[in-house]
Amino acid sequence: DQQVKQNSPSLSVQEGRISILNCDYTNSMFDYFLWYKKYPAEGPTFLISISSIKDKNEDGRFTVFLNKSAKHLSLHIVPSQPGDSAVYFCAARSKGGADGLTFGKGTHLIIQP
Amino acid sequence: DTAVSQTPKYLVTQMGNDKSIKCEQNLGHDTMYWYKQDSKKFLKIMFSYNNKELIINETVPNRFSPKSPDKAHLNLHINSLELGDSAVYFCASSAAGVGDYGYTFGSGTRLTVV
Repeated sequence: DQQVKQNSPSLSVQEGRISILNCDYTNSMFDYFLWYKKYPAEGPTFLISISSIKDKNEDGRFTVFLNKSAKHLSLHIVPSQPGDSAVYFCAARSKGGADGLTFGKGTHLIIQP
Repeated sequence: DTAVSQTPKYLVTQMGNDKSIKCEQNLGHDTMYWYKQDSKKFLKIMFSYNNKELIINETVPNRFSPKSPDKAHLNLHINSLELGDSAVYFCASSAAGVGDYGYTFGSGTRLTVV
Protein backbone atom coordinates (compact mmCIF):
# COMPACT_ATOMS: atom_id res chain seq x y z
CA ASP A 1 0.00 0.00 0.00
CA GLN A 2 1.55 3.24 -1.16
CA GLN A 3 1.41 5.82 1.59
CA VAL A 4 3.17 8.44 -0.52
CA LYS A 5 2.09 8.79 -4.12
CA GLN A 6 3.57 10.69 -7.01
CA ASN A 7 1.18 10.08 -9.85
CA SER A 8 3.19 11.73 -12.60
CA PRO A 9 6.15 9.57 -13.66
CA SER A 10 7.50 12.42 -15.77
CA LEU A 11 7.05 16.12 -16.40
CA SER A 12 8.45 18.26 -19.19
CA VAL A 13 8.81 22.03 -18.66
CA GLN A 14 10.36 24.76 -20.73
CA GLU A 15 13.40 26.53 -19.32
CA GLY A 16 12.42 29.68 -17.43
CA ARG A 17 8.87 28.51 -16.70
CA ILE A 18 7.48 27.14 -13.45
CA SER A 19 7.76 23.43 -12.63
CA ILE A 20 5.11 22.01 -10.30
CA LEU A 21 5.60 18.54 -8.88
CA ASN A 22 2.78 16.96 -6.92
CA CYS A 23 2.62 14.45 -4.10
CA ASP A 24 -0.26 12.88 -2.17
CA TYR A 25 -0.14 10.93 1.06
CA THR A 26 -2.53 8.78 3.05
CA ASN A 27 -0.96 8.48 6.51
CA SER A 28 -2.21 11.11 8.96
CA MET A 29 0.73 10.32 11.27
CA PHE A 30 3.23 11.94 8.94
CA ASP A 31 4.63 15.07 10.56
CA TYR A 32 7.42 16.06 8.19
CA PHE A 33 7.61 16.10 4.43
CA LEU A 34 10.74 16.32 2.32
CA TRP A 35 11.72 16.59 -1.31
CA TYR A 36 14.82 14.90 -2.66
CA LYS A 37 16.49 15.33 -6.01
CA LYS A 38 18.32 12.49 -7.71
CA TYR A 39 20.67 12.46 -10.68
CA PRO A 40 21.52 9.18 -12.47
CA ALA A 41 24.09 7.01 -10.68
CA GLU A 42 23.95 9.23 -7.59
CA GLY A 43 22.11 9.03 -4.31
CA PRO A 44 19.14 11.29 -3.54
CA THR A 45 20.09 14.69 -2.16
CA PHE A 46 17.95 16.72 0.18
CA LEU A 47 16.23 19.70 -1.41
CA ILE A 48 13.62 21.21 0.90
CA SER A 49 11.29 20.16 3.69
CA ILE A 50 8.17 21.30 5.49
CA SER A 51 6.73 20.56 8.89
CA SER A 52 3.10 19.52 9.13
CA ILE A 53 2.38 22.63 11.21
CA LYS A 54 3.22 24.88 8.27
CA ASP A 55 1.64 25.34 4.87
CA LYS A 56 4.54 26.85 2.97
CA ASN A 57 8.31 26.83 3.00
CA GLU A 58 10.50 28.71 0.57
CA ASP A 59 14.18 28.40 -0.26
CA GLY A 60 15.40 30.40 -3.22
CA ARG A 61 13.78 29.07 -6.40
CA PHE A 62 12.12 26.22 -4.50
CA THR A 63 8.84 26.44 -2.60
CA VAL A 64 6.93 23.59 -1.01
CA PHE A 65 3.22 23.92 -0.27
CA LEU A 66 1.34 21.65 2.11
CA ASN A 67 -2.44 21.19 2.16
CA LYS A 68 -3.10 18.97 5.17
CA SER A 69 -6.83 18.70 4.66
CA ALA A 70 -6.26 17.37 1.15
CA LYS A 71 -3.17 15.36 2.20
CA HIS A 72 -1.36 16.95 -0.69
CA LEU A 73 1.93 18.74 -1.15
CA SER A 74 3.61 20.29 -4.12
CA LEU A 75 7.06 21.53 -5.05
CA HIS A 76 7.33 24.65 -7.17
CA ILE A 77 10.53 25.50 -9.00
CA VAL A 78 10.69 28.91 -10.58
CA PRO A 79 12.33 29.74 -12.87
CA SER A 80 13.22 26.24 -14.04
CA GLN A 81 16.80 25.72 -15.16
CA PRO A 82 18.46 22.95 -17.21
CA GLY A 83 20.30 21.70 -14.10
CA ASP A 84 16.93 21.01 -12.49
CA SER A 85 16.44 18.03 -14.81
CA ALA A 86 16.44 15.07 -12.42
CA VAL A 87 14.13 12.67 -10.61
CA TYR A 88 12.34 14.27 -7.67
CA PHE A 89 11.21 12.13 -4.76
CA CYS A 90 8.60 13.17 -2.23
CA ALA A 91 9.18 11.65 1.21
CA ALA A 92 7.39 11.70 4.54
CA ARG A 93 8.32 10.94 8.12
CA SER A 94 6.08 9.59 10.86
CA LYS A 95 6.06 11.23 14.29
CA GLY A 96 9.12 10.05 16.18
CA GLY A 97 10.91 9.20 12.96
CA ALA A 98 11.81 5.67 14.00
CA ASP A 99 10.28 4.16 10.89
CA GLY A 100 12.51 6.14 8.57
CA LEU A 101 11.29 8.04 5.55
CA THR A 102 8.57 6.76 3.25
CA PHE A 103 9.22 7.68 -0.37
CA GLY A 104 7.07 8.11 -3.44
CA LYS A 105 8.08 6.59 -6.77
CA GLY A 106 9.53 9.83 -8.05
CA THR A 107 8.81 12.21 -10.92
CA HIS A 108 11.33 12.65 -13.71
CA LEU A 109 11.51 16.37 -14.45
CA ILE A 110 12.85 17.32 -17.86
CA ILE A 111 13.70 20.96 -18.51
CA GLN A 112 13.65 21.76 -22.20
CA PRO A 113 15.74 24.61 -23.62
CA ASP B 1 35.20 14.71 0.97
CA THR B 2 32.41 12.15 0.69
CA ALA B 3 29.90 12.29 3.55
CA VAL B 4 28.33 8.85 3.08
CA SER B 5 30.35 6.38 1.05
CA GLN B 6 29.36 2.91 -0.11
CA THR B 7 31.47 0.18 -1.62
CA PRO B 8 31.33 -1.39 -4.07
CA LYS B 9 29.42 0.78 -6.53
CA TYR B 10 28.62 -2.23 -8.71
CA LEU B 11 28.35 -5.85 -7.67
CA VAL B 12 27.58 -8.77 -9.98
CA THR B 13 27.32 -12.18 -8.36
CA GLN B 14 25.75 -15.59 -8.80
CA MET B 15 22.66 -16.91 -7.07
CA GLY B 16 23.38 -18.57 -3.77
CA ASN B 17 26.45 -16.51 -2.96
CA ASP B 18 26.92 -14.42 0.19
CA LYS B 19 27.97 -10.81 -0.25
CA SER B 20 28.47 -7.65 1.79
CA ILE B 21 28.07 -3.98 1.00
CA LYS B 22 29.99 -1.53 3.14
CA CYS B 23 28.86 1.91 4.26
CA GLU B 24 30.70 4.61 6.14
CA GLN B 25 29.65 8.11 7.16
CA ASN B 26 31.90 10.91 8.40
CA LEU B 27 29.13 13.26 9.47
CA GLY B 28 28.98 12.21 13.09
CA HIS B 29 25.37 11.14 12.63
CA ASP B 30 23.70 8.91 15.17
CA THR B 31 21.49 6.84 12.93
CA MET B 32 22.20 4.92 9.72
CA TYR B 33 19.86 3.24 7.28
CA TRP B 34 19.71 0.90 4.36
CA TYR B 35 17.22 1.50 1.56
CA LYS B 36 16.44 -0.65 -1.46
CA GLN B 37 15.35 0.78 -4.80
CA ASP B 38 13.74 -1.96 -6.81
CA SER B 39 12.94 -2.22 -10.50
CA LYS B 40 9.78 -0.19 -9.98
CA LYS B 41 11.93 2.63 -8.60
CA PHE B 42 10.42 2.55 -5.12
CA LEU B 43 12.85 3.50 -2.35
CA LYS B 44 11.95 1.29 0.60
CA ILE B 45 13.55 1.25 3.99
CA MET B 46 15.17 -2.01 5.06
CA PHE B 47 16.80 -1.10 8.36
CA SER B 48 17.41 1.82 10.62
CA TYR B 49 20.07 1.53 13.29
CA ASN B 50 21.68 3.59 15.98
CA ASN B 51 23.82 2.52 18.89
CA LYS B 52 20.72 1.74 20.87
CA GLU B 53 18.22 0.19 18.56
CA LEU B 54 17.90 -1.81 15.37
CA ILE B 55 14.61 -1.46 13.60
CA ILE B 56 13.92 -3.95 10.87
CA ASN B 57 11.32 -3.60 8.20
CA GLU B 58 9.24 -6.72 8.65
CA THR B 59 9.14 -7.39 4.93
CA VAL B 60 12.93 -7.82 4.71
CA PRO B 61 13.98 -11.49 4.47
CA ASN B 62 16.22 -12.68 7.28
CA ARG B 63 18.91 -13.39 4.67
CA PHE B 64 19.65 -9.67 5.00
CA SER B 65 21.49 -8.56 8.11
CA PRO B 66 23.02 -5.22 9.06
CA LYS B 67 26.31 -5.22 10.92
CA SER B 68 27.64 -2.14 12.66
CA PRO B 69 31.21 -2.33 13.98
CA ASP B 70 30.96 1.27 15.18
CA LYS B 71 28.80 4.37 14.95
CA ALA B 72 30.27 5.43 11.60
CA HIS B 73 29.72 2.14 9.79
CA LEU B 74 26.69 0.07 8.85
CA ASN B 75 27.42 -2.83 6.52
CA LEU B 76 24.78 -4.92 4.80
CA HIS B 77 25.36 -8.65 4.60
CA ILE B 78 23.24 -10.80 2.31
CA ASN B 79 23.18 -14.59 2.45
CA SER B 80 22.07 -16.98 -0.29
CA LEU B 81 21.48 -14.31 -2.88
CA GLU B 82 18.40 -14.63 -5.09
CA LEU B 83 17.55 -13.14 -8.48
CA GLY B 84 14.96 -10.89 -6.82
CA ASP B 85 17.65 -9.26 -4.71
CA SER B 86 18.87 -7.42 -7.80
CA ALA B 87 18.35 -3.73 -7.06
CA VAL B 88 20.16 -0.56 -6.09
CA TYR B 89 20.93 -0.37 -2.38
CA PHE B 90 21.39 3.01 -0.72
CA CYS B 91 22.95 3.69 2.62
CA ALA B 92 21.94 6.87 4.47
CA SER B 93 22.55 8.60 7.77
CA SER B 94 20.84 11.26 9.86
CA ALA B 95 21.40 13.20 13.05
CA ALA B 96 19.20 12.43 16.02
CA GLY B 97 15.80 14.04 15.49
CA VAL B 98 16.09 14.26 11.74
CA GLY B 99 14.29 17.57 11.55
CA ASP B 100 14.71 19.80 8.56
CA TYR B 101 17.47 18.08 6.71
CA GLY B 102 16.36 14.52 6.32
CA TYR B 103 18.97 12.02 5.43
CA THR B 104 22.28 12.12 3.64
CA PHE B 105 22.47 9.31 1.12
CA GLY B 106 25.37 7.45 -0.38
CA SER B 107 25.62 7.09 -4.14
CA GLY B 108 24.22 3.57 -4.16
CA THR B 109 25.39 0.03 -4.91
CA ARG B 110 23.89 -1.65 -7.95
CA LEU B 111 23.60 -5.36 -7.16
CA THR B 112 22.97 -7.77 -10.02
CA VAL B 113 22.34 -11.41 -9.22
CA VAL B 114 22.73 -13.78 -12.17
